[in-house]
Amino acid sequence: EPEVTQTPSHQVTQMGQEVILRCVPISNHLYFYWYRQILGQKVEFLVSFYNNEISEKSEIFDDQFSVERPDGSNFTLKIRSTKLEDSAMYFCASRWRELNEKLFFGSGTQLSVL
Amino acid sequence: DAKTTQPNSMESNEEEPVHLPCNHSTISGTDYIHWYRQLPSQGPEYVIHGLTSNVNNRMASLAIAEDRKSSTLILHRATLRDAAVYYCIRYSGGNYQLIWGAGTKLIIKP
Repeated sequence: EPEVTQTPSHQVTQMGQEVILRCVPISNHLYFYWYRQILGQKVEFLVSFYNNEISEKSEIFDDQFSVERPDGSNFTLKIRSTKLEDSAMYFCASRWRELNEKLFFGSGTQLSVL
Repeated sequence: DAKTTQPNSMESNEEEPVHLPCNHSTISGTDYIHWYRQLPSQGPEYVIHGLTSNVNNRMASLAIAEDRKSSTLILHRATLRDAAVYYCIRYSGGNYQLIWGAGTKLIIKP
């Protein structure tokens, strides 16, 4: 079965530094998402992306966050100035069509902000 | 607001059927019910979804109550690999996000 690929699997950074989390969605998918999960807590929606623009974003996705699909295959999440509370597992997901298609998730990037 | 209610945890014996309940009493007529699971240290994985009729796939069955206020995910013969957190999610077609609750942690005893 096709897979969503995320790199790196672990990222350690200093507070205030910029990080870019990378994802390669499934090739014919059209809708892309970032979710995060703080250790021991619920999965939280961050942002959805379609047709090269943000479709919807949560309150978590503030000005420090941005997403980009730079080359038609990669989908990136950038955090400009990381905070301690950004430490979490970040999951990328993709979907082919909108209505009731299942989401395919990557295995995540564990971000640790020191 | 996840708008679904699930037990925090359940235990089952290996090779026995498992019934995971979900309450969604305020569901609207067009909301689908999706189930995902998350194995330890992995990303969520789609299990099954449905609207009104019961649904079967290679992983599980989904039984939806006639009034649609509740549903049950059925694993017909649980294995140790089925130990995971199972999430019941209401999904309105056209929304771009899924709202996740706390899920049910399924423990499989050998």
